[in-house]
Amino acid sequence: NAGVMQNPRHLVRRRGQEARLRCSPMKGHSHVYWYRQLPEEGLKFMVYLQKENIIDESGMPKERFSAEFPKEGPSILRIQQVVRGDSAAYFCASSPQGANTGELFFGEGSRLTVL
Amino acid sequence: EDKVVQSPLSLVVHEGDTVTLNCSYEVTNFRSLLWYKQEKKAPTFLFMLTSSGIEKKSGRLSSILDKKELFSILNITATQTGDSAVYLCAVCSGAGSYQLTFGKGTKLSVIP
Repeated sequence: NAGVMQNPRHLVRRRGQEARLRCSPMKGHSHVYWYRQLPEEGLKFMVYLQKENIIDESGMPKERFSAEFPKEGPSILRIQQVVRGDSAAYFCASSPQGANTGELFFGEGSRLTVL
Repeated sequence: EDKVVQSPLSLVVHEGDTVTLNCSYEVTNFRSLLWYKQEKKAPTFLFMLTSSGIEKKSGRLSSILDKKELFSILNITATQTGDSAVYLCAVCSGAGSYQLTFGKGTKLSVIP
């Protein structure tokens, strides 16, 4: 039973380029969450999605960031026109239902480096 | 704004030692507190605590929550080198039960 799968594991982009990070939830899980971990900081919630729906994007920066979870395929976190401050580890988590008490299953993260 | 503070930020011990990691929090509408272990990969779930005073135990690891004083501790007895990791404390609060607020973690290094 594969866990949460994220790719790429490492991504290098130049300023102004686009970054796309993918997340396949655990089998049987229909709820996906994205968290960001900046250097020397704790993980911070970004967005919560179900299939074809954004449930809560209160943690997403207002510009350049978007997320989707289509009916088919992985969830995608998209960062347009990346800047150096976007360099971070982006973690995806999933749960079988809305996590009532916070137990989420995390992927190994995608580490974005912006040059 | 919800806040989770872990201490110490880093800790170096010898194999066999016992360690205590601390987590204090200030959040609205507390639901649960969770501990995760993060090696150089995915944070893996250790414990979830919702009630004060009830110890959760798994092998050499145990944890307890004090909702009056707003803190939790994670104990590891007879440490092994495989315990070396960053231990993350997170609190689930508010209407968004999926919105975990994480501390910065305690980096534990266990040396032979």
